[in-house]
Amino acid sequence: GAVVSQHPSWVICKSGTSVKIECRSLDFQATTMFWYRQFPKQSLMLMATSNEGSKATYEQGVEKDKFLINHASLTLSTLTVTSAHPEDSSFYICSAKEASLSNQPQHFGDGTRLSIL
Amino acid sequence: RKEVEQDPGPFNVPEGATVAFNCTYSNSASQSFFWYRQDCRKEPKLLMSVYSSGNEDGRFTAQLNRASQYISLLIRDSKLSDSATYLCVVNEARGGSQGNLIFGKGTKLSVKP
Repeated sequence: GAVVSQHPSWVICKSGTSVKIECRSLDFQATTMFWYRQFPKQSLMLMATSNEGSKATYEQGVEKDKFLINHASLTLSTLTVTSAHPEDSSFYICSAKEASLSNQPQHFGDGTRLSIL
Repeated sequence: RKEVEQDPGPFNVPEGATVAFNCTYSNSASQSFFWYRQDCRKEPKLLMSVYSSGNEDGRFTAQLNRASQYISLLIRDSKLSDSATYLCVVNEARGGSQGNLIFGKGTKLSVKP
């Protein structure tokens, strides 16, 4: 089945550091990938939709200059948390779709647990 | 009003029990519906899609009532390995875009021996 790989799975770093998270679709092409964030005991919340070859679409309240998204190929999207602070500590998960149809389920990466000290 | 609401849980049941999860959604234009399960500190994994006609996959049965904007998941003969958080997920359409998954907060299930 469709596999989405996310790397790294765990990051611990100092406040002010920028952190890059990669999301790869391993056996299919994904023109669209999604980035979610989940705080403890909360729902997954969509941060942004990453479109191959164009600018990402950010959800309300998500700072595009803080969460930089690059989707340079059909199999790779990256999320960079710039100048991360403790309040950015969360579980970040990407997902991708195999097809352009909106009713297809999304396949999730393993997630990245980000801890900012 | 929350977009996707689920039973608050947690549900603590013995092995072999039948357990039902309920979910309501607020956007009547929602296109597709899913149940995901999420193990502690892991990513969500698709359990099953939900169709208007109802669908079954082994011990799991999902149903959708579009008129009531209600989704359910029934687990029969529950196993210890069914312990997880079950997420009700709705795919909304947005002006011709590919849609957006809206997640419920999830209902935690603990199956005890």
